Amino acid sequence: ETGVTQSPTHLIKTRGQQVTLRCSSQSGHNTVSWYQQALGQGPQFIFQYYREEENGRGNFPPRFSGLQFPNYSSELNVNALELDDSALYLCASSSDSTPYEQYFGPGTRLTVT
Amino acid sequence: RKEVEQDPGPFNVPEGATVAFNCTYSNSASQSFFWYRQDCRKEPKLLMSVYSSGNEDGRFTAQLNRASQYISLLIRDSKLSDSATYLCVVILPMDTGRRALTFGSGTRLQVQP
Repeated sequence: ETGVTQSPTHLIKTRGQQVTLRCSSQSGHNTVSWYQQALGQGPQFIFQYYREEENGRGNFPPRFSGLQFPNYSSELNVNALELDDSALYLCASSSDSTPYEQYFGPGTRLTVT
Repeated sequence: RKEVEQDPGPFNVPEGATVAFNCTYSNSASQSFFWYRQDCRKEPKLLMSVYSSGNEDGRFTAQLNRASQYISLLIRDSKLSDSATYLCVVILPMDTGRRALTFGSGTRLQVQP
């Protein structure tokens, strides 16, 4: 196992609601990246947090936001949920020495109805 | 045009067969490449990096062809446990600062007894 944990594992929300997903990074890793994976697609980069600052963002609207805490754990917040937000949300942690070797958590499966 | 393209498959092969997947990328300035493996409803896991000179890890061989802008993964002596989706990852030039992974949609492999 990678040591990256995510909670909750599954979540059902209705359109317009807000959701917070959580991720604990692997010990020794200071970078957390978030990805969205729709069914039948590869993961898509949402954003990355490095030392508590956002370090880059993919093509996602501002209603997707995040935080990183001093212990390097992270949250992903999504406001005004839309049906298309239904997906598997994955977080990945990595270190400075090997930033592209990213270790993924098991994901949170979000269903928006 | 997608940045990273893969044949979705499925590739159905008998145990013991040799199978190869290709992945094409559009940005010739891309520098780093990886293969990830994703089991059904699980998180992606790093399988191997792809080096310019090609590299081998047991039954798995990865190669990079810069002239034609593709990477390949060869699996020899396929096992039932190799059944999974294989995701190609490219580090685009714009992602070197934000350390984002750009994934293909994946190629599904089904090894049959």
